[in-house]
Amino acid sequence: GENVEQHPSTLSVQEGDSAVIKCTYSDSASNYFPWYKQELGKGPQLIIDIRSNVGEKKDQRIAVTLNKTAKHFSLHITETQPEDSAVYFCAASMWGSQGNLIFGKGTKLSVKP
Amino acid sequence: DAGVIQSPRHEVTEMGQEVTLRCKPISGHNSLFWYRQTMMRGLELLIYFNNNVPIDDSGMPEDRFSAKMPNASFSTLKIQPSEPRDSAVYFCASSTASTQYFGPGTRLTVL
Repeated sequence: GENVEQHPSTLSVQEGDSAVIKCTYSDSASNYFPWYKQELGKGPQLIIDIRSNVGEKKDQRIAVTLNKTAKHFSLHITETQPEDSAVYFCAASMWGSQGNLIFGKGTKLSVKP
Repeated sequence: DAGVIQSPRHEVTEMGQEVTLRCKPISGHNSLFWYRQTMMRGLELLIYFNNNVPIDDSGMPEDRFSAKMPNASFSTLKIQPSEPRDSAVYFCASSTASTQYFGPGTRLTVL
């Protein structure tokens, strides 16, 4: 079955710097890779996702890149702000399968003002 | 859209008591997922349903846990009898394709 590994487990950056979180997956059939942000006391919220027919997707300060050959994908946050502080989860699945997402263990991002 | 609704938001109970967690998925979504989150084990999938039918319950810890989905707009997760090690945040999520939308969670404390 699919296995997703996420690094680092914790990340501390200064406000305004960039943050990068990386994930690797094992099942080459996976073609859907969402990223979730979980703030304290809340449920995970989808922030961006990518399908394997594209290599990069951007939404304002957030971007995700995908390398299908190497089976890894990354989340990039530019110009970080204190409100970006949260736990971020990557996940993988097959689009349209209506099956479960396989989640990474999470990265706790702290943005220091 | 109200999003996924879970109740109660907090539950404190004593060991041995029955606990029932409730979830209302987003209207039109045909898949529903129950997760458990703890510091030690992270986010664990317990069970998921497609079109109200349980598809994979391999994550359910033991027979004390059961889940039902009697119709497309309601699901329950029951723990009977509850134990202190069941203390966690339980999330419900729903989806229509592959994108899952999570509810706010139920924080369960078993004393």
